[in-house]
Amino acid sequence: DTGVSQDPRHKITKRGQNVTFRCDPISEHNRLYWYRQTLGQGPEFLTYFQNEAQLEKSRLLSDRFSAERPKGSFSTLEIQRTEQGDSAMYLCASSLKENEQFFGPGTRLTVL
Amino acid sequence: AQKVTQAQTEISVVEKEDVTLDCVYETRDTTYYLFWYKQPPSGELVFLIRRNSFDEQNEISGRYSWNFQKSTSSFNFTITASQVVDSAVYFCALSGDLRDDKIIFGKGTRLHILP
Repeated sequence: DTGVSQDPRHKITKRGQNVTFRCDPISEHNRLYWYRQTLGQGPEFLTYFQNEAQLEKSRLLSDRFSAERPKGSFSTLEIQRTEQGDSAMYLCASSLKENEQFFGPGTRLTVL
Repeated sequence: AQKVTQAQTEISVVEKEDVTLDCVYETRDTTYYLFWYKQPPSGELVFLIRRNSFDEQNEISGRYSWNFQKSTSSFNFTITASQVVDSAVYFCALSGDLRDDKIIFGKGTRLHILP
């Protein structure tokens, strides 16, 4: 499968715990995006990388959130001290050309 | 600011009926892209179409068709002869020029196709 992959697909955690998600983009895609989708809403942009550089962060990305793409390939999104409001689907997308993003299957986070 | 409005929260139609999903957008960019995505119960976003702002030709793909009208800032999606498998949430979305291509999604329209 050469599409965008995300791991884990589901994560249940207790409030206050830290969680980390991984996204593997399509090979050679230099752009990588993170979005968050809460129940009943459309996905909302969180952050974006071009190669290893994080070029934009949304106001939605509080201090408890951090994203990295250390070698310009896979990316991780960490949430520290999770809150119930963090429960959502976290979507990753990658692209080689502008305005052509391919989405992964998402990681569904449930914070108890 | 960019914004996408999908006024229809939920629609139910009987199988084989035609259904149109409305989408209205706002942007100050002269170059922009419009998208439709399908999200079935499995949760994965399935890309349906991308249209750039300079191409106002309507498009048809099988039972799907899209009507882009720049004058009314609308990009509506019609499913002809609907099928139960079309049941899903459909998102209209917008992205800006080449320097800022993050996608702005509408809130989605949940479509129920009843057998």
